[in-house]
Formats: sequence, C-alpha cells, structure tokens
Amino acid sequence: AIQMTQTPSSVSASVGDRLTITCRASQDIRSNVGWYQQKPGKAPKLLIYAASTLQSGVPSRFSGGGSGTDFTLTIDSLQPEDFATYYCLQDYNYPFTFGPGTKVDV
Amino acid sequence: QLQLQESGPRLVKPLETLSLICSVSGGSISTTGYYWGWIRQPPGKGLEWIGNIYYSGSTYYNPSLKSRVTISEDPSKNEFYLRLNSVTAADTAVYFCARFRSGDLDAFDIWGQGTMVTVSS
Repeated sequence: AIQMTQTPSSVSASVGDRLTITCRASQDIRSNVGWYQQKPGKAPKLLIYAASTLQSGVPSRFSGGGSGTDFTLTIDSLQPEDFATYYCLQDYNYPFTFGPGTKVDV
Repeated sequence: QLQLQESGPRLVKPLETLSLICSVSGGSISTTGYYWGWIRQPPGKGLEWIGNIYYSGSTYYNPSLKSRVTISEDPSKNEFYLRLNSVTAADTAVYFCARFRSGDLDAFDIWGQGTMVTVSS
C-alpha cells in the first residue's frame, strides 16, 4: 500500500499567516491527491482534488500543488474558521490511504 | 442536494458483527461515475479508508480489514451497507459514509455526518 506522510503534524499559527502543509507519497501517484479539512465532531470537507483543483465553494485562499510524490496545501491569510485538522488522501490506487493529519491551532 | 446518513447500532459486543446503513437522498447510488465508500476514525486519531462499492456491485477493500469487511448495496432502497465481523475494541470509531466521484474529479466530495460505534461488552 502507498504510504502518505504529512508535515508538520501540528502547527501553531495566527490569523493572517500564510501556511503550507506538505504531503509525501511513498511512490509516484501522479496528481491523485485530495486535501480535506476536518473540524472537531464534524465530517471531513473536501478542499482540493487532483492535487491542485479547488473544490466548488471553497475559498480561494486555499491552494494545492505538486505531482509525483510531493504535494502541498497552502492557506493564504489564515482565517479564524481555518483552525482545523487537514488530511491528504491518495486516490491513485487501492487501498486509498490518508496522511496522518496536520492540526492547525492558535 | 445529495445527502448521506449513517445509521445502525451504537454499541456492539466484542466478536459480534458491526452493521451500518448509509441512506442516500437527493440522488441515486446507481449513477455512473460514482463510488460509495466507508471511512472510519478512532477517537482522537486519523482517518482510515475501509472500502468502496460501485453500483455494479464491484467492491474494493482495505487489506487490513479485508477478511472481516463486506460492503453491499440495495439500489431499490438507495442504500449501501457496511458489515464488519469479529469486532474488537480497536474497531471503536466514528464511521463515515461518503460519495467518491471518479475520473478526473476523483475525490470524496459528499460525506455523511458520521456515527460513533463503540465495541464493548
């Protein structure tokens, strides 16, 4: 199975900060990565798919990049509602695998 | 608007079978191009993909659970199901059902709210 690692595992940030989260795959997965945001007690929410395509309705301060094995999620000008945990997911092949998550707090 | 809702017992005894239903409204599970999946999250931990099913009945499972898991569907009821056999405390988790759209738009784009299942005697 493809392993996904994420860095950092947690980060403290402030409103207005620019934040980048990195996800690395154990093998080439082309652009088959999605990014999900999860708040406590809630279901994950799709932010980015196909590595860099913004899901409809998601604010443009979120952006994704990368291909192959290295991927990034960037949040420009962090807003109060962005404090959450972020997961990457490889859907290149089965079994799908999530990264361990990055918790973003104040 | 498509919505998913998980339901089933909240408490399951060790070594018994966990059974959940995902009821889909606002759209058909028989629509081509969409898979239907189960994902779980143990308390305080990350997300784990359990498996997907396509309307044709094709299924894909996480090898870590494959010997114990069955995902099935009933298009007439617009529902799909999760069965996990021989559960232990390690199977205690929030279980989510979700729609996976395939092709160039690959992603779990719509999720149920999740249901907490506890394995305990």
